Amino acid sequence: DQQVKQNSPSLSVQEGRISILNCDYTNSMFDYFLWYKKYPAEGPTFLISISSIKDKNEDGRFTVFLNKSAKHLSLHIVPSQPGDSAVYFCAATPVFNTNAGKSTFGDGTTLTVKP
Amino acid sequence: NAGVTQTPKFQVLKTGQSMTLQCAQDMNHNSMYWYRQDPGMGLRLIYYSASEGTTDKGEVPNGYNVSRLNKREFSLRLESAAPSQTSVYFCASSGGRRNTEAFFGQGTRLTVV
Repeated sequence: DQQVKQNSPSLSVQEGRISILNCDYTNSMFDYFLWYKKYPAEGPTFLISISSIKDKNEDGRFTVFLNKSAKHLSLHIVPSQPGDSAVYFCAATPVFNTNAGKSTFGDGTTLTVKP
Repeated sequence: NAGVTQTPKFQVLKTGQSMTLQCAQDMNHNSMYWYRQDPGMGLRLIYYSASEGTTDKGEVPNGYNVSRLNKREFSLRLESAAPSQTSVYFCASSGGRRNTEAFFGQGTRLTVV
């Protein structure tokens, strides 16, 4: 049973528009959520995170929204830029685990931003 | 500041051969991890080390062994490689003031034929 799901394998948007990447989870014990970005032939890099005590966290063009009752989070990128084209992974960490690297990852969404 | 360094970047093994993937971090992190990523899938945890001297199994430990040599280094060993172990392997570390994100190496692309 996959505990973190990214149901859209790919997403294509026009430069300047909003990109919305979605993530669903099933484990109620998850309380800290992260988004990582991955370029080809590189390791993932941390992008933004959110704790379960919040419903929104913003960092520049990137905003993550958390809906605990629906067990759903989303990453908004506004405005999207061609350099944002990458694979985005959603990850979740349970309340009893303080090791952020010991996360459960989704399968990723490949974002393509067209000029 | 190198961050997390993995060697080698690429490797081809024959079935049954053994090899060790090396990982070192220079961020003074307590925790280190080995993940594998298969095509179209997310990262799956193989082993992790919460601190120097300790190691624990992750989601997919079978066929692997690890050694936390010191605080900086965490190696992953394949004793008898199988084609099912063809994957991209990532080492990561976390810790310090903000143990809230993991820092990843560039990955090792391993092919077992």
